[in-house]
Amino acid sequence: AQSVSQHNHHVILSEAASLELGCNYSYGGTVNLFWYVQYPGQHLQLLLKYFSGDPLVKGIKGFEAEFIKSKFSFNLRKPSVQWSDTAEYFCAVNARSGNNRKLIWGLGTSLAVNP
Amino acid sequence: GAVVSQHPSWVICKSGTSVKIECRSLDFQATTMFWYRQFPKQSLMLMATSNEGSKATYEQGVEKDKFLINHASLTLSTLTVTSAHPEDSSFYICSAPFPGRGHDEQFFGPGTRLTVL
Repeated sequence: AQSVSQHNHHVILSEAASLELGCNYSYGGTVNLFWYVQYPGQHLQLLLKYFSGDPLVKGIKGFEAEFIKSKFSFNLRKPSVQWSDTAEYFCAVNARSGNNRKLIWGLGTSLAVNP
Repeated sequence: GAVVSQHPSWVICKSGTSVKIECRSLDFQATTMFWYRQFPKQSLMLMATSNEGSKATYEQGVEKDKFLINHASLTLSTLTVTSAHPEDSSFYICSAPFPGRGHDEQFFGPGTRLTVL
């Protein structure tokens, strides 16, 4: 069965620290990959996505993610976090299998950035 | 950007009553909408896919008679939790794919917090 694994459930950083959140998926076929963010009290919004092409994807607010096919990974990075990055981060995979195109979600990573 | 709204944002009800949650796409039409459930500190669980003009597609383990879905128009889908019980208390989120971007990019509503007493 398809699954998504996020390595870190809770991360606490100080402002200006670098961030890397791990995401691995299990699916042997073609995938679309996403990172969504949920700020406190707000709805989920797309941070970045990978469909094809350059495996290094740049998203909003200085975030980027790298798709490494051989490692089935799509790790999220930001060189210098800010207090406003405090949020819940979800990795999701849309496995293209016939007509089944549902998103498979990771458990999420709660990021707290201390000012 | 595309906007998806949900109503109500929170609801408290007594056990045994039914609760209806609305999901609307405000500036685009959505032939498909998705309903998710999120437990505290857990990920989103897809409950069903709502299809305009046809029956919803439910995920394995989700009771279709318990969670009634009606996709009344191209901008509205409703989820009715029938005979709600405390174990149905959860955060319910809907999403809709933006036209022209396939089903791969979804826009999410703000969610509805259901508490069943």
